[in-house]
Amino acid sequence: GESVGLHLPTLSVQEGDNSIINCAYSNSASDYFIWYKQESGKGPQFIIDIRSNMDKRQGQRVTVLLNKTVKHLSLQIAATQPGDSAVYFCAETFQSGYSTLTFGKGTMLLVS
Amino acid sequence: EPEVTQTPSHQVTQMGQEVILRCVPISNHLYFYWYRQILGQKVEFLVSFYNNEISEKSEIFDDQFSVERPDGSNFTLKIRSTKLEDSAMYFCASSGRDGGELFFGEGSRLTVL
Repeated sequence: GESVGLHLPTLSVQEGDNSIINCAYSNSASDYFIWYKQESGKGPQFIIDIRSNMDKRQGQRVTVLLNKTVKHLSLQIAATQPGDSAVYFCAETFQSGYSTLTFGKGTMLLVS
Repeated sequence: EPEVTQTPSHQVTQMGQEVILRCVPISNHLYFYWYRQILGQKVEFLVSFYNNEISEKSEIFDDQFSVERPDGSNFTLKIRSTKLEDSAMYFCASSGRDGGELFFGEGSRLTVL
């Protein structure tokens, strides 16, 4: 079946570097994408979202890029800090119904 | 800042026992959800709830599962007869509108022995 997946299970970066976390999705009907951060022992925390009619959205230190042509989503974190260490999930959903999210497998970001 | 709260944080139970996980969603939210995460795996949708009824459920949410909003503040997930494979972290979430941002609780870890 269609699913959301991640290319890299673990990403290690140095403090101050920029981080890029990637996600591939296969359901072209998805129209809303979200990045979540999950720290150890906690629930997913919303970071940033993007709708399918956009290709880029910026937040504070984070940018999400959406490439619908290749069904690819990325999260860029500028000036990565130790507090950014967590598992990052991308998720997809459809605005035509309720907010049932399909999550990817997650990427562990380690900042040293 | 309003938050979703869940209890218990960790429950250990014997296989076959009934378990109730409790959630207090954000007070003005109308849409409620349960997700679960088996250790080391991705977060999976279980069920969504709106207007006192289930609006959508996944294939995981079989007859052993039920949800209830017994009063104006609590939202519960009941597993009638737990199995080993029910061991997971269960997350409650709520949103203020259809399609709106989901706010997750910190989860209830269920261990079935």
